[in-house]
Amino acid sequence: GAGVSQTPSNKVTEKGKYVELRCDPISGHTALYWYRQSLGQGPEFLIYFQGTGAADDSGLPNDRFFAVRPEGSVSTLKIQRTERGDSAVYLCASSAGAGASYNEQFFGPGTRLTVL
Amino acid sequence: ELKVEQNPLFLSMQEGKNYTIYCNYSTTSDRLYWYRQDPGKSLESLFVLLSNGAVKQEGRLMASLDTKARLSTLHITAAVHDLSATYFCAVDGMDSNYQLIWGAGTKLIIKP
Repeated sequence: GAGVSQTPSNKVTEKGKYVELRCDPISGHTALYWYRQSLGQGPEFLIYFQGTGAADDSGLPNDRFFAVRPEGSVSTLKIQRTERGDSAVYLCASSAGAGASYNEQFFGPGTRLTVL
Repeated sequence: ELKVEQNPLFLSMQEGKNYTIYCNYSTTSDRLYWYRQDPGKSLESLFVLLSNGAVKQEGRLMASLDTKARLSTLHITAAVHDLSATYFCAVDGMDSNYQLIWGAGTKLIIKP
């Protein structure tokens, strides 16, 4: 497809469980971002990849959160021992990356995570 | 620390009226972005402003950038109900490690 895709669109899990959220960026985009958005709030930065490496993971709230992008395309956000406070919409965005003259980010539809 | 402030945060207006949303930021930057988010949906890129004095228009929306004042405006002309959404501005901080710094969003409700 032409845009950023995310799966699943909805995920309901129980407290303490492990979840994986997947993002497939726009083809050719080297930069990939994960955000978290709670109701009525703006996007909260989690992590930024340039290629395969995490260029900035300063937004990850704690060590239960981890993300990978092994081949520089698809990325997976992994959350261990989920807590109710992790419930939010997780957004993925991609952009042309370092070397581009500007950083217009294109967003996927998001994954709504609900931790019961 | 780079901060981006939008105002108002909430705006309810009648169709046919004009209004302006303001986006102030706290450091030097000449790249600013406006996004739209419909309820339950993701963010859609509206405008990319890349220099002082830049102006972009799409339909009833017009965005401008004044880098000296560190201010961008999103002007709505003769509002229609379909423009109801939350609008975010974001700034490409010059030292932000290639991230965007986001405003809190302006929730716009246009009543028919």
